[in-house]
Amino acid sequence: DTGVSQDPRHKITKRGQNVTFRCDPISEHNRLYWYRQTLGQGPEFLTYFQNEAQLEKSRLLSDRFSAERPKGSFSTLEIQRTEQGDSAMYLCASSLSSGSHEQYFGPGTRLTVT
Amino acid sequence: DAKTTQPPSMDCAEGRAANLPCNHSTISGNEYVYWYRQIHSQGPQYIIHGLKNNETNEMASLIITEDRKSSTLILPHATLRDTAVYYCIVKMSTNAGKSTFGDGTTLTVKP
Repeated sequence: DTGVSQDPRHKITKRGQNVTFRCDPISEHNRLYWYRQTLGQGPEFLTYFQNEAQLEKSRLLSDRFSAERPKGSFSTLEIQRTEQGDSAMYLCASSLSSGSHEQYFGPGTRLTVT
Repeated sequence: DAKTTQPPSMDCAEGRAANLPCNHSTISGNEYVYWYRQIHSQGPQYIIHGLKNNETNEMASLIITEDRKSSTLILPHATLRDTAVYYCIVKMSTNAGKSTFGDGTTLTVKP
């Protein structure tokens, strides 16, 4: 399967713990995006990379959140000192930076903070 | 990016055409209209996009009004598997990064 993959699919953690999610984009895509989605809402943009450069960060991305894409391939999203309000689906998407720019989404990582 | 307005929910009979409207009255000349859908518990899926001309692909048709202030996504023969939340997004240009999703329209296809 050459689609976007995310790991883990589900994560349950206790408040105050750190968590890290991984996203593997479609191999030829140079753009990678992170979104967060809570129940009943549309996805909210967090950040995106073009190759290894982080080009935009949302104000939603507090200092407890950090994302990396060190070699321009996979990306990680880390949340430090998790809070119950961080419980959400974290979606990753990838696209080309040319052409029609449609984004291809992964299945998401569902985070539950207890 | 321009704001979009969609009805919160719609029903459609299986086998009939589903017509999903989107209002984007503040759209500017270089903004494209994109449609995505999200089936329960999955990530969003790209459907189609357009600038000013009507577009068709294997999944759907996109009709954009001449003044570009609104558009309609048409699923010509809806099936139960088309039940999903449909998002209409307007992006500054095809070179833009993020997509700004609203709350979308929940389409329920009924047998």
